[in-house]
Amino acid sequence: TQLLEQSPQFLSIQEGENLTVYCNSSSVFSSLQWYRQEPGEGPVLLVTVVTGGEVKKLKRLTFQFGDARKDSSLHITAAQPGDTGLYLCAGADNAGNMLTFGGGTRLMVKP
Amino acid sequence: DTEVTQTPKHLVMGMTNKKSLKCEQHMGHRAMYWYKQKAKKPPELMFVYSYEKLSINESVPSRFSPECPNSSLLNLHLHALQPEDSALYLCASSHELTGLYGYTFGSGTRLTVV
Repeated sequence: TQLLEQSPQFLSIQEGENLTVYCNSSSVFSSLQWYRQEPGEGPVLLVTVVTGGEVKKLKRLTFQFGDARKDSSLHITAAQPGDTGLYLCAGADNAGNMLTFGGGTRLMVKP
Repeated sequence: DTEVTQTPKHLVMGMTNKKSLKCEQHMGHRAMYWYKQKAKKPPELMFVYSYEKLSINESVPSRFSPECPNSSLLNLHLHALQPEDSALYLCASSHELTGLYGYTFGSGTRLTVV
């Protein structure tokens, strides 16, 4: 069974602060995805990383895939209240397994 | 069209009712999924359809019955549910079964069983 562990589970910060969310596994993944989910809505795909060591930037969000393709991080610079939500990482492999979701990080950014 | 559309948005049903959740996508995705999500938890996989055929049933109770009438539609028929089945039900689709490049999720149906 593949597992993805996310940390922290919950994060409450002030507007303007920086933060990093981690997603770790002992399994190798073909790709790692990050989703953001707002209350009462479905998860929205933010980014997919597929190459070990890959770094992608999406405005104030920076995503990194570990060299060994077992872990990933999401860094948010100068967080804003609009960043509030549940952040989910998910891993895909080529072994016929369905997408594996991490436990989620609940982020609250206070004005 | 890059969306997955789910209806209804909210549903309240009694334990003896029969209702259906609907999901539609027109992106040409050949894999479609039903997930159940409880508050503050990640989504839990229920069913997977690949090329309109049921590929995976994650030991879901028979009071949940999926149906894929065609490549664009996915239904979830509900009968004799329990209050603990109250949750957000999410439909998703992807180009291929592995989800290598991600899933597109619908906005979900908030189900309350009374």
